[in-house]
Order: sequence, then structure tokens, then C-alpha cells
Amino acid sequence: IVLTQSPATLSVSPGERATLSCRASQSISNNLVWYKQKPGQAPRLLIYDASTRATGIPARFSGSGSGTEFTLTISSLQSEDFAVYYCQQYNWWPPLTFGGGTTVEI
Amino acid sequence: QVQLVQSGAEVKKPGASVRVSCKTSGYNFTTFDVHWVRQGPGQRPEWMGWINVRNGNIRYSDRFQGRVSITRDTSATTVYMELTKLEFEDTAIYYCARDTGSFGDAFWYFDCWGRGTLVTVSP
Repeated sequence: IVLTQSPATLSVSPGERATLSCRASQSISNNLVWYKQKPGQAPRLLIYDASTRATGIPARFSGSGSGTEFTLTISSLQSEDFAVYYCQQYNWWPPLTFGGGTTVEI
Repeated sequence: QVQLVQSGAEVKKPGASVRVSCKTSGYNFTTFDVHWVRQGPGQRPEWMGWINVRNGNIRYSDRFQGRVSITRDTSATTVYMELTKLEFEDTAIYYCARDTGSFGDAFWYFDCWGRGTLVTVSP
């Protein structure tokens, strides 16, 4: 399964809304997660089952979608949200696959 | 708290092998499976394989079939990943990551990651 993320880079001001897209090459039901990765750090789980926030993740992060089209929305960007975001599917494996990432920059 | 502590950076020559360790703590080792994921410079993460730490079942990505080996030492609560016949393209950060599911019911996504081990393949 190939996951295509868009845009590659998203320039946003603090306090604004960010919308990130992940498209799957075939249906993956809702078996998709989103991770956030800051430079020099491991990825951190944000959303699983396409729309459920992981433990400790703020409510400004929300996920939606099913089938082949998925969206991660950050409602009001904080300084700590500027990072790279990856989607990963777990419907068809092996292998588990990741998207190419979206960099959210100021 | 839950920790996955990986071994230090390695520099290897082409054709050599590397073994990376992942020492776990802060939870019952046999409750959660472990995966290995690597990330080359500026690249997306790439899943390498998985081990069920309770029974030792393993699954590898076809991309690494024949070159990768994942093992565990239950008494040491440690998981190992060995990659053989290294090529320049294997230069990457290698992560161990804990599966979110428990008691053998893997969810195939990861709630806790090690900090990564940089493996550099250089002549």
C-alpha cells in the first residue's frame, strides 16, 4: 500500500488551522495512524483508527476519513506543533507502510 | 515509566553486519510486541519487522528478507535486530518501537519508541 501525503510542506502562522492529507493507493478502512516527529526525535503517536486521539494528545488534533482519503487537522497551531507529520497504514501487511510526510513550518 | 533504550551509534563497512539492541523497562516485557523501523536521511520511516516477545514469532518485510534477524532475550527484557550484508543505502537511524496492542494481540502501530541508533555504512 502506497501512502501519499500532501502538501509536502505547509506554511502556517501560530494560531491558524492546518489541514494535512494522506491518500492510500487502495482502501485501508480506518486502519490509519498519524505520528508527529520533531528533529532528532522519534515519532510520537497522535491519532489511531483514523480518528481517535492517543493518550495525552490535545483536543486541537483531530483525524478523519476512511477508505483511501484521510485528514489530520490541527485547529490552532501552537509553537510545539511545528514538526513533520507522517501517516501509517496497518490494514495490509506486511509491510506496514508510511507516507512521505508533511512538514508544518512557520 | 516505559523506556526503550537502544545501543549506541555504529559505523560499519559495506558487507559487514550490525546488531542493535533495545533494552525495555517500565512494563511487563512479555505483554507488548516490538517492531523495528528505520529512517534514512530525509526519508520516510520504513518498517523492517516484528517480534511477538511471548512466543518468538517473527515477521519481516520482504525488502529485508534474508538479511534481517530479530531476536529477544526475555530474561534481559531486550530485543535485538541484526542486519547483514550492509550497503551504503542502509545508512539510517534504526528505531525499536513498542506495539500498542497487548498479550499477543498486536495492533500494528506504535505507542512508544526508542531514541534511535544511527548506523553509518562507510568505506
